[in-house]
Amino acid sequence: GENVEQHPSTLSVQEGDSAVIKCTYSDSASNYFPWYKQELGKRPQLIIDIRSNVGEKKDQRIAVTLNKTAKHFSLHITETQPEDSAVYFCAASNPPSNYQLIWGAGTKLIIKP
Amino acid sequence: EAGVAQSPRYKIIEKRQSVAFWCNPISGHATLYWYQQILGQGPKLLIQFQNNGVVDDSQLPKDRFSAERLKGVDSTLKIQPAKLEDSAVYLCASSRAPGNTIYFGEGSWLTVV
Repeated sequence: GENVEQHPSTLSVQEGDSAVIKCTYSDSASNYFPWYKQELGKRPQLIIDIRSNVGEKKDQRIAVTLNKTAKHFSLHITETQPEDSAVYFCAASNPPSNYQLIWGAGTKLIIKP
Repeated sequence: EAGVAQSPRYKIIEKRQSVAFWCNPISGHATLYWYQQILGQGPKLLIQFQNNGVVDDSQLPKDRFSAERLKGVDSTLKIQPAKLEDSAVYLCASSRAPGNTIYFGEGSWLTVV
């Protein structure tokens, strides 16, 4: 079955700098890759997603890149702000598994003022 | 558009007692999910419904957990009897169909003492 690995587990960056979180997946059939942000005590919220027919997607300060050959995808946050502090989860899903989301372990992003 | 509604938000019970959580998905969403999230971990899928049918319940501890979605809309998740290790946030989520964006409710926080 699918396995998703996420790195790093904790990332501390200076406010204004960029942050990059990387995930690798094992099942080449996976074709949907969402990223969720979860603030302390809150629900996970989708911030961006990408499907396998696209290599990159951008939404303001957030971008996701996908390398299907290497089976990895990354979240890029530019010009980080204090409100970006949260836990970020990547996930992967594929049709044969009813699109069940397989989640990474999460990255705690800390924005230092 | 109203989000995924869950209740109760918080519940404290003693071990061996029972508890039930209710979820109302976003209108028109055929797929409903129950996740368990233990503090510091990513969400773990317990059960996935498509309308009123179960698509995947492979990770549901069936000796103590049960879930139903009788009319294909609202769903309830029950735990009986509860164990200490069931202390977690129970997240309900929904999507229009498998493979579409998954939206989470605020969660039901369970503490078993």
